[in-house]
Amino acid sequence: EPEVTQTPSHQVTQMGQEVILRCVPISNHLYFYWYRQILGQKVEFLVSFYNNEISEKSEIFDDQFSVERPDGSNFTLKIRSTKLEDSAMYFCASAGHRNTEAFFGQGTRLTVV
Amino acid sequence: KNEVEQSPQNLTAQEGEFITINCSYSVGISALHWLQQHPGGGIVSLFMLSSGKKKHGRLIATINIQEKHSSLHITASHPRDSAVYICADYSGGGADGLTFGKGTHLIIQP
Repeated sequence: EPEVTQTPSHQVTQMGQEVILRCVPISNHLYFYWYRQILGQKVEFLVSFYNNEISEKSEIFDDQFSVERPDGSNFTLKIRSTKLEDSAMYFCASAGHRNTEAFFGQGTRLTVV
Repeated sequence: KNEVEQSPQNLTAQEGEFITINCSYSVGISALHWLQQHPGGGIVSLFMLSSGKKKHGRLIATINIQEKHSSLHITASHPRDSAVYICADYSGGGADGLTFGKGTHLIIQP
């Protein structure tokens, strides 16, 4: 069964460092998403990506964040200069079409120290 | 702004009991997701529905669009059903991402 895969599963980084979280969405899907979940809180939408560009972004997704689909399969989230409050679980998701069933990866737990 | 509310926040039940988790949302939606999150953190899609009722094994999801309300039922509950159950919806009106509820933490005791 097709699945969304994320790497790494856990990343520890020093404050101020850049991190790249990687995702391989389901191959025939067209919509890609990043969500985050701070420990003990609900999941929050960060950004959606369609047709090689950002479709929508939340107020959380500021200039420190960027997304890319560099090679037609990987979908990455970059945080340029990490802050302590960026520590969270980051989920990638993909969907075949807009507003259809989303399939989630297992998440990357980012710890900023 | 869409708000998604779930109840109860925590639920402990005995094995075999019938479980109901409720979800309300504030604005018209195009579709609603029920998701399951296990202690390791991964999120699994259970259902997506925009009207009526769906059934998958012991899980049943219903939605009432007019009342802006959905329920997830688990029949013959089992300890392996213990997880956090989350409802999330696409708010419509151009919003691409899902708006999540806080989740219901379910524990089924043997």
